[in-house]
This record gives sequence, C-alpha cells and structure tokens, in this order.
Amino acid sequence: NAGVMQNPRHLVRRRGQEARLRCSPMKGHSHVYWYRQLPEEGLKFMVYLQKENIIDESGMPKERFSAEFPKEGPSILRIQQVVRGDSAAYFCASSPGRTGGSYEQYFGPGTRLTVT
Amino acid sequence: KNEVEQSPQNLTAQEGEFITINCSYSVGISALHWLQQHPGGGIVSLFMLSSGKKKHGRLIATINIQEKHSSLHITASHPRDSAVYICAVRSYNTDKLIFGTGTRLQVFP
Repeated sequence: NAGVMQNPRHLVRRRGQEARLRCSPMKGHSHVYWYRQLPEEGLKFMVYLQKENIIDESGMPKERFSAEFPKEGPSILRIQQVVRGDSAAYFCASSPGRTGGSYEQYFGPGTRLTVT
Repeated sequence: KNEVEQSPQNLTAQEGEFITINCSYSVGISALHWLQQHPGGGIVSLFMLSSGKKKHGRLIATINIQEKHSSLHITASHPRDSAVYICAVRSYNTDKLIFGTGTRLQVFP
C-alpha cells in the first residue's frame, strides 16, 4: 500500500506565476488535509477536504489560494500569482475517516515551493 | 500564547543519553500526536495518544489529560535520532491539527 504521494517534490515559480501542488492520498483514504510550513516556522493547518467537499478552510489565505479534491484524481492546492512569501513546504496528509473518530493522519513527503 | 507549547526548543545530547521533550496545550483535545521531521525531509507520525502511555522501540510517549501535558522520551539516544520532534493536538471541535513549534534534537556520537 503506497503512502501519501505529493508531486512535484520541488517547485520553482517566478512571482506572478501559478503553482499547482498535487496530493494523492493513501488507498482507501477519502479525507485530505493540507498544511504549510514557512521557513523557520511551525506547521499550520490550511484546509481539510473530503471527496468533492471542502470541510474546513479556516487556515487558507483569503485570496489567491484554492483547494479541491475531485471525485477522481488527486487533491490539488492551487496558488495563483505567487509571491515570495508563498515560499514554503506544503504537506498533505490523509486519513480514512474523520480524525475525530480516532483515525490517524498519514503525511506525504511535502512539496517545497520556491518563488523567485 | 500558543495553544501548543513545546520545551525545550533545542536539545543537544551525547549518544546513549535519555531524552525528554515536553508538550503542554491549552485546548480540549481528542488526541495528541508526536511527529518526527528530519532536515529537509518529510514528516513521520510516531505516536497518536488519547490517554496513558505508548511505547515503540526506544520511544515512549505519555499523556496526562487532566494536566494537559505530554512527554516524549527517547531511551539510549543515537545520532540517527537527530531530528525535529513536533507535538500536535486535535481539538474536540475540529479535525485539524494544531502544532507546536518543534524541538530540534541533535545527538552526538
């Protein structure tokens, strides 16, 4: 059973470009979480999605950021018109159910975004 | 004040020493996680706790729900244990994790 996969592992974008980060959850997992780790800072929650639904987006910046988890295919975190402050490591995690039901979250290897 | 506080922020040890990392939190939780992150690397989940104590190899995690405190212990530390250890809690009201700032551990041979 492959773990959580993220691609690309490293992404370089110039200011103003779009960044698309992909997350394929573990087989059988229908819940995906995105977290951001800014340089020299701790991890912060961004968004929680279930297939075709956004459950909690309280950690998402109000502008330029969006996330989706379609019925088929990976979850996508999209950042439009990137700025230098978006440079960070973006991690996704997946679980088979709501973690309030004591399911554990399994983390992917992360995508390191560098904005030049 | 952060909802999850870890101490110490940095820790240096000699190989073989017993290590303790502490985590205190201020919110009601349904579970607490201990995570490990190597430099430039991904995140590995070490433990998920809601009560008591868990042991895996040389790692032991304990939690005291009444005192809102957890500890991660490493017995007979080894240089390969060098990493950042992160405490994260899952609050009752939501499924998202709230993270501590991490403890950077370096173990020297």
